[in-house]
Amino acid sequence: SQTIHQWPATLVQPVGSPLSLECTVEGTSNPNLYWYRQAAGRGLQLLFYSVGIGQISSEVPQNLSASRPQDRQFILSSKKLLLSDSGFYLCAWTPLGYVAEAFFGQGTRLTVV
Amino acid sequence: AQTVTQSQPEMSVQEAETVTLSCTYDTSESDYYLFWYKQPPSRQMILVIRQEAYKQQNATENRFSVNFQKAAKSFSLKISDSQLGDAAMYFCAWKEYGNKLVFGAGTILRVKS
Repeated sequence: SQTIHQWPATLVQPVGSPLSLECTVEGTSNPNLYWYRQAAGRGLQLLFYSVGIGQISSEVPQNLSASRPQDRQFILSSKKLLLSDSGFYLCAWTPLGYVAEAFFGQGTRLTVV
Repeated sequence: AQTVTQSQPEMSVQEAETVTLSCTYDTSESDYYLFWYKQPPSRQMILVIRQEAYKQQNATENRFSVNFQKAAKSFSLKISDSQLGDAAMYFCAWKEYGNKLVFGAGTILRVKS
């Protein structure tokens, strides 16, 4: 069966520090991968999505970047965090080849102080 | 660009009664999928129901059903016999084959005992 792992679950980082959130999917090949951000009590904002290795689409100009070094690995990064980067980050995947629902990781609660 | 609109930031329902959450979307495509996701306080995203746009019959999952009006681009969720465990944020989402998954801003549902 397919599983998705996202870590860390909680992170407190100072302003100006770097960020690396990792997401991996098991049990499938060539998934579409997504990073979303959710502010407190708000909706899901699509940050990045990827349809293959090295293929990243950015939805919102911001302080963040994403990479997909392997087929089932998706990394969200920042060189210097801002206070506004605080939020709840969710990784998700959908199967390639047909449309189906997305499967989500457990999320990372990031607090920039 | 594809957009999903949920016009109700918050809704309340008495336990055992019925509530309807609204969702509209904008797309020029004819073939796509629509979803309702539930996000309880744990923040884990849970799929509630899905609808294929080519199907005229409205999807139903136990106490959850949708009213899909393709021409009006409307996709509402009806929850019957509401239970305390239904309290959560509900997201409407749209996806086309090979395309990104777009979410609405969400509706917070409160269930009163």
